[in-house]
Amino acid sequence: GGIITQTPKFLIGQEGQKLTLKCQQNFNHDTMYWYRQDSGKGLRLIYYSITENDLQKGDLSEGYDASREKKSSFSLTVTSAQKNEMAVFLCASSMQISNERLFFGHGTKLSVL
Amino acid sequence: GQQVQQSPASLVLQEGENAELQCNFSTSLNSMQWFYQRPGGSLVSLFYNPSGTKHSGRLTSTTVIKERRSSLHISSSQTTDSGTYLCASNYNVLYFGSGTKLTVEP
Repeated sequence: GGIITQTPKFLIGQEGQKLTLKCQQNFNHDTMYWYRQDSGKGLRLIYYSITENDLQKGDLSEGYDASREKKSSFSLTVTSAQKNEMAVFLCASSMQISNERLFFGHGTKLSVL
Repeated sequence: GQQVQQSPASLVLQEGENAELQCNFSTSLNSMQWFYQRPGGSLVSLFYNPSGTKHSGRLTSTTVIKERRSSLHISSSQTTDSGTYLCASNYNVLYFGSGTKLTVEP
C-alpha cells in the first residue's frame, strides 16, 4: 500500500498572498491531480500531471500555478488569495491518466482573512 | 467537460432503511467511480470501473455505461454510513458530481 501526504493540513492566508500547498505520494504513481472542493459541492479539477515535469490545466486553473519537479511530489500555488475564500484542496494520484483508480490525500483546508 | 448529476442532494434515513443514490452523465464515458467522504475526511474509493452490478458488503453498484448512468444502493443503513457519496466519470480525467449527503439517524 501507499499513502498521499498533504501539507499543511490547515492554511490561513491574507488577501493577495501567494500560498503554496504540497503533496507527496509513495505509490510510485505516474499521474497526480489537484482538486478543489467548496462546501456542499463536488470536486473541480485545477491541475494534473501525467509525469514528472508535465503540467495540464483543468477547468479551474485560473489563479493557480502547479509544479511537478519529482515523480513523487506535486505542489500547487494560489497566486493571489481572495478575501473570504474558503475551500479544501485535495491531492490525488493514479497509476496512469485514464481508467485508473484514484487515491486521495486528506486535504488542505484554506481560509483567507 | 463532462457534467455529472447526482440525486438526491441530501437524504435522511432511519437506521435499517435502504438508500438508492443516482448518478447521470452528460456525455459518453470510459468508466466511473463511486467515492465515500466522511465529514472533514478524505475520499475513499467504493467502486472502481463498475459495469453491470457489483457488490461490496451492504453496497451494490449498478452501472449502465451506454445509458450513462449509475446507482449506488445501500442496504440496512447504519449510522456509520453517514457522510457524502460522490460519483465521478472518467473521461480522460475524473469529473465529479456534487454528491449526496447521507444522514442515518439511530
